[in-house]
Amino acid sequence: GENVEQHPSTLSVQEGDSAVIKCTYSDSASNYFPWYKQELGKGPQLIIDIRSNVGEKKDQRIAVTLNKTAKHFSLHITETQPEDSAVYFCAASGGTALIFGKGTTLSVSS
Amino acid sequence: DTAVSQTPKYLVTQMGNDKSIKCEQNLGHDTMYWYKQDSKKFLKIMFSYNNKELIINETVPNRFSPKSPDKAHLNLHINSLELGDSAVYFCASSQGRTSKETQYFGPGTRLLVL
Repeated sequence: GENVEQHPSTLSVQEGDSAVIKCTYSDSASNYFPWYKQELGKGPQLIIDIRSNVGEKKDQRIAVTLNKTAKHFSLHITETQPEDSAVYFCAASGGTALIFGKGTTLSVSS
Repeated sequence: DTAVSQTPKYLVTQMGNDKSIKCEQNLGHDTMYWYKQDSKKFLKIMFSYNNKELIINETVPNRFSPKSPDKAHLNLHINSLELGDSAVYFCASSQGRTSKETQYFGPGTRLLVL
């Protein structure tokens, strides 16, 4: 089955810096890669996703890149703000179950 | 307007008890899910239902039994609760049958087994 590895597990940045979170997946049949943000005490919320026919997608300060050959995808957050502090999860799906990475706790200090 | 709601929000109970968690979505979605998030924040799929039909049943003890009375509701019943069942349980829903659509998560039910 699919296995998703996510790094780093924790990331601390200064406000205004960029943050990058990386994930690798094992199943070459996976073709949908969402990223979720989970704030304290809340459920995960989708922030951006990418499908295998696209190499990069951007939404304001957030971008995701996908390298299907290497089976890895990354989340880039630019100009980080304190409200970006949360746990971020990558995930991968080939159509059955959505498999999540173990999460990255991002702390943005002002 | 709450899209995906769960009750209760907190559940504290003794080992060996039986408990239920309820989930409702008002998004008109066809598919609903149960996830378990452990103390290390790891999110793992447990079950998935599409229009009341079970489509994903991961390796979960038989003590866990989902029930979908209609496509807007997916409940989770847990028999003979164990200490290791302590976790946050999230319900989610999505449009379509596959896991390649956006999943909308509920606020979670924090279960503590003593």
